[in-house]
Amino acid sequence: AQSVTQPDIHITVSEGASLELRCNYSYGATPYLFWYVQSPGQGLQLLLKYFSGDTLVQGIKGFEAEFKRSQSSFNLRKPSVHWSDAAEYFCAVGAKGNSGYALNFGKGTSLLVTP
Amino acid sequence: EPEVTQTPSHQVTQMGQEVILRCVPISNHLYFYWYRQILGQKVEFLVSFYNNEISEKSEIFDDQFSVERPDGSNFTLKIRSTKLEDSAMYFCASKWVAGVADTQYFGPGTRLTVL
Repeated sequence: AQSVTQPDIHITVSEGASLELRCNYSYGATPYLFWYVQSPGQGLQLLLKYFSGDTLVQGIKGFEAEFKRSQSSFNLRKPSVHWSDAAEYFCAVGAKGNSGYALNFGKGTSLLVTP
Repeated sequence: EPEVTQTPSHQVTQMGQEVILRCVPISNHLYFYWYRQILGQKVEFLVSFYNNEISEKSEIFDDQFSVERPDGSNFTLKIRSTKLEDSAMYFCASKWVAGVADTQYFGPGTRLTVL
């Protein structure tokens, strides 16, 4: 069965510093991978997604993620964090069903940005 | 930008009562989903819905749950007789087409508290 692990429950980063959020997956076939962000009171917003091709994926808000099959990882990165990036971040893998793809989420990583 | 909306934002109910959570998906979308997140746990898939019928459901989605698209705009989740363990944040999502290439757009969630 597929699963997603986000090892870090909370991460604190200084504004302007770089950020890396970890995501590991377990899936038998080529995974379809996503990163979503949730700001307080908001829905889950897609940051980026990976299906195939270039393993370095660019997303919105300056985020990128790299798919590493050998490490079963899809870590999210940002070179310089802004205070507005403080939010909950979810990694997810797409599960093929009868229609569409249900998403299998990790538990999320809460990002705190300090001045 | 079109968005998924959910009402109410917070619902408090007594154990054993029926609740209906409402969602208005993005207007031209055809695939609809419900997910939930129990506090401190990961976001879990409940059900997907297409062409006026359930296309896929998880083990969580037992006989106490039902979904409906009563008109051209609303998508509802009904819990027939709520239990304490149903307390969670419930997210609705929609997408335009089948396949993993299309993004699921999420609403802000309804927090359900069962007393």
